[in-house]
Amino acid sequence: EVQLVQSGAEVKKPGESLKISCKGSGYSFTSYWIGWVRQMPGKGLEWMGIIYPSDSDTKYSPSFQGQVTISADKSITTAYLHWNSLKASDSAMYYCARGGSYSGYWGQGTLVTVSS
Amino acid sequence: EIVLTQSPGTLSLSPGERATLSCRASQSVGSRYLAWYQQKSGQAPRLLIYGASSRATGIPDRFSGSGSGTDFTLTISRLEPEDFVVYYCQQYGNSPYTFGQGTKLEI
Repeated sequence: EVQLVQSGAEVKKPGESLKISCKGSGYSFTSYWIGWVRQMPGKGLEWMGIIYPSDSDTKYSPSFQGQVTISADKSITTAYLHWNSLKASDSAMYYCARGGSYSGYWGQGTLVTVSS
Repeated sequence: EIVLTQSPGTLSLSPGERATLSCRASQSVGSRYLAWYQQKSGQAPRLLIYGASSRATGIPDRFSGSGSGTDFTLTISRLEPEDFVVYYCQQYGNSPYTFGQGTKLEI
């Protein structure tokens, strides 16, 4: 069974760093792209970017380029989304999803709250 | 970047009726690189349709997709009570693979 299990909710202060994770199982982790999608409170879905774990090839949306870093550790079948310096506007639900195009498998979401 | 515009923003119908949701792209998404998702409150999105018209595994046949190029449609033939949630289209013809803003289906 394909599963994507994300790390738990986070509460951070502005300016802090954060890395959230997404562990894939039940499939060949290096054979599929994994992407990240943001959903701000009460809003729609925003495509952030994707990574191919086999060679770490990464594509970002221009809206998120330079704001976040997507990475993966294929040895532990885990993808990451990293912020160096959080802003209040980063408060949102973040989903990982398998697939470099459409996504049939999604993680359960990680809620990130940034507040002073 | 391709912008997807979904209409209407909210669609009010009754169980048993037919729903037609539209997704229009600012430029061609490359034939049929269009997916539809359903999202229930507090849950991750669920893939309904990919390739504009192919149903994902386990999706009831009352859901169907059509269209190509810049104009796409999701049709729900006979609405069930659990269908009254939010629907998103996504294009994956050109990176970034953008989503529409969503259509809320309400009773």
